Amino acid sequence: GESVGLHLPTLSVQEGDNSIINCAYSNSASDYFIWYKQESGKGPQFIIDIRSNMDKRQGQRVTVLLNKTVKHLSLQIAATQPGDSAVYFCAENWVTGGGNKLTFGTGTQLKVEL
Amino acid sequence: KAGVTQTPRYLIKTRGQQVTLSCSPISGHRSVSWYQQTPGQGLQFLFEYFSETQRNKGNFPGRFSGRQFSNSRSEMNVSTLELGDSALYLCASRRDRSNTEAFFGQGTRLTVV
Repeated sequence: GESVGLHLPTLSVQEGDNSIINCAYSNSASDYFIWYKQESGKGPQFIIDIRSNMDKRQGQRVTVLLNKTVKHLSLQIAATQPGDSAVYFCAENWVTGGGNKLTFGTGTQLKVEL
Repeated sequence: KAGVTQTPRYLIKTRGQQVTLSCSPISGHRSVSWYQQTPGQGLQFLFEYFSETQRNKGNFPGRFSGRQFSNSRSEMNVSTLELGDSALYLCASRRDRSNTEAFFGQGTRLTVV
């Protein structure tokens, strides 16, 4: 079935440390996976995506890893800053019916401690 | 460049009423999707529109409907409101169907009493 889940509901890290947010998915038909950041009172903000035929992609201070063997996705944030505090969602996208459909995970609350 | 604009930001309705929410995508974006966000169910896909046609629909009852206009602006309608429809309704736009990056608006907070 379609489901994208997260391992941990809350993650607390010290400022300056690296953060790792994990996500499990079950639908192998997705063509790419995306990480979103949602701050309080705002809509989700695109962080980074990765195509299903890749296993790693790097952005500015963020790295996404995809392990299709175990259907696992992770987001690594380097040198975590207070501004990184937010809820992070993984989502999977697949093209169906001539359009796109995003299925979101339940979200992980990242708290950055000073 | 203006982002995705959703109106109104907040809405309170009574059970049994209907409601229409509006979304203006980023200029030049032709694909609009709608999502419902609740603490219990998280973010759930409602439907996607492109070129005034619904391309995909999520697992929601027929009380939830939408449409897209020729200028890509979109509206969603919920009829016969139920308490469980209280949620944050989010709209996202993409440049086209093949584009991976979806830009979200701030949402409309609907409260049904």
